[in-house]
Amino acid sequence: GAVVSQHPSRVICKSGTSVKIECRSLDFQATTMFWYRQFPKQSLMLMATSNEGSKATYEQGVEKDKFLINHASLTLSTLTVTSAHPEDSSFYICSAPGSGGQLTDTQYFGPGTRLTVL
Amino acid sequence: TQLLKQSPQFLSIQEGENLTVYCNSSSVFSSLQWYRQEPGEGPVLLVTVVTGGEVKKLKRLTFQFGDARKDSSLHITAAQPGDTGLYLCAGARSSGDKLTFGTGTRLAVRP
Repeated sequence: GAVVSQHPSRVICKSGTSVKIECRSLDFQATTMFWYRQFPKQSLMLMATSNEGSKATYEQGVEKDKFLINHASLTLSTLTVTSAHPEDSSFYICSAPGSGGQLTDTQYFGPGTRLTVL
Repeated sequence: TQLLKQSPQFLSIQEGENLTVYCNSSSVFSSLQWYRQEPGEGPVLLVTVVTGGEVKKLKRLTFQFGDARKDSSLHITAAQPGDTGLYLCAGARSSGDKLTFGTGTRLAVRP
């Protein structure tokens, strides 16, 4: 099956610094990737849709200047949390559709990145 | 706004028992998916249902999509400790629309 990786798996940073999280599709190309945020013991909330070669589409209430998304190639999307604060601490998960590029196609999820901001 | 509400929120049962998890909404979905997520990992797709009234079986797991495509259920027979995890339903209101995840059901199966 298709594999999506994320790096790093865990990161701890000081308040005010920026953190970059990578999402890679390892054996398939993904023109679209999706970034989710998950608080402890809660469900996934879609943050934004990453589009290769164009700007990301952000969900309502998500600050695009705070969460910078770059879809540099057909296999890589990055999420940069800028000027991180403790309230940004969360589990960030990316996904990529296996075919068709639509969200309703089978989504392959990365293993997630746990961000802790001190 | 959480469109998909799951119940129960938490469930702790003994190995061998049966259980049902419900995923309910007032909205109609064109497709609905069920995922299982273990701590510190991403969700893993279990099944996709697209037709009202559809029933799919995956070993000891039985998934049903409501006739009106507003709700779904997951039934596990003879639960095992390996079934422990967070179960999430996720629906799309139309083809190509965004997935909305349910509130989640955390299952613990005791040996």
